[in-house]
Amino acid sequence: QITLKESGPSRVKPTQTLTLTCTFSGFALTARPVGVGWIRQPPGEALEWLGFIYWDDDKRYSPSLRSRLTITKDTSKNQVVLTMTNMDPVDTGTYYCARRLPYDGDWGSGYFDFWGQGTLVTVSS
Amino acid sequence: EIVLTQSPATLSLSPGETAALSCRASQSVNTYLAWYQQKPGLSPRLLIYDASHRATGVPARFSGSGSGTDFTLTITSLEPEDFAVYYCQHRANGLTFGGGTKVE
Repeated sequence: QITLKESGPSRVKPTQTLTLTCTFSGFALTARPVGVGWIRQPPGEALEWLGFIYWDDDKRYSPSLRSRLTITKDTSKNQVVLTMTNMDPVDTGTYYCARRLPYDGDWGSGYFDFWGQGTLVTVSS
Repeated sequence: EIVLTQSPATLSLSPGETAALSCRASQSVNTYLAWYQQKPGLSPRLLIYDASHRATGVPARFSGSGSGTDFTLTITSLEPEDFAVYYCQHRANGLTFGGGTKVE
């Protein structure tokens, strides 16, 4: 059974750095072509892809947010960490981690077959 | 960036009816398109990938079609649990989601 769960602060102040952890089970981020992605959703709005990290530590980011994002992994803990700098109120929303549907190639893209429950992050002073 | 436009924004139907949801891409995405279902307070669920392939466990009443720039998600004989928001997403040269269609 594949599960993912996001954890981290529910509130951050403007200009602060957000750090979220995705803890997963039921698969390993150690073999080709496994990857984990991050997606966010402002309240009442559509989904926005943030980035991927792969079994080989390759990382891909949304071009519009690349300068603010870092994704890392700890395979011994089955965790993926998202860091987003210089948070702004427009970054308020639910942040999801999800497994990329495993297939070879197109590492800058993909589909998401298993999702975490999401964590709501509010950016406010 | 490829923009996905979904229509209509809201589709009002009754159980037992057929829903046809549209997703149009600003340029060709070949067949690299997926559909997700999202219910209030829950995370999205993958329904269809690569335009017409049903994900594991998805009922046969969900079907996808299209290629290039025009795609359709069809839900035949709507069940009460199908009333939700549906998003399309491409994976051609990047990754973006559409704005969603609410089936009510």
